[in-house]
Amino acid sequence: QVQLQESGPGLVKPSETLSLTCIVSGASISGSYWSWIRQPPGKGLQWVGYIFNSGSTNYNPSLRSRVAISVDTSKSQFSLKLNSVTASDTAVYYCVRGKLSLSYSYYMDVWGKGTTVTVSS
Amino acid sequence: QSVLTQPPSVSAAPGQKVTISCSGSSSNIGNNYVSWYQQPPGTAPKLLIYDNNKRPSGIPDRFSGSKSGTSATLGITGLQTGDEADYYCGTWDSSLSAWVFGGGTKLTVL
Repeated sequence: QVQLQESGPGLVKPSETLSLTCIVSGASISGSYWSWIRQPPGKGLQWVGYIFNSGSTNYNPSLRSRVAISVDTSKSQFSLKLNSVTASDTAVYYCVRGKLSLSYSYYMDVWGKGTTVTVSS
Repeated sequence: QSVLTQPPSVSAAPGQKVTISCSGSSSNIGNNYVSWYQQPPGTAPKLLIYDNNKRPSGIPDRFSGSKSGTSATLGITGLQTGDEADYYCGTWDSSLSAWVFGGGTKLTVL
């Protein structure tokens, strides 16, 4: 059974860098899309971006200048860095596995439990 | 403002049927597959439907999906109190080169 577990600081100061890690168990980290999705308090889901096969990345255009996703295959984990954070980056952050179906469509089939990050001084 | 438009809320009685719509455009739903996610209160989302109408293993056939043109629909029959959750549609937007979600629909089972 594939499981994803997020970890990282729950509190980040404004203008600093938010860093989260997701440990993948029960599946190879190769060959899938590894994504971050966030959800501000009381609001809907927002796609942050993904990394595929340890190198190819794609980011939400609204966050592209501040975000980086990387993979450490040796540790079976992937990470998110979001710099210059503000209060609007306060959210529950989910790490998610993305897959391509036989129709070559992308969808997200396994979600972590989520970790709450608050941006505040 | 979400790229995909969903009604904020729907409700129905136990045992009844409900549908949730998701409206987009040719750059997203019109030319890409849609997936649906269920998020019960206080929990992480879960995949319900992918490829417009396919159910992953373990999802009961009470849940169904369809797509026509630039809109998609999630149907739930035989409503149960445990179906109370927020439901999100999602798809790739070719113009934005980004994944987009609908704003979410809160289902209340009266």
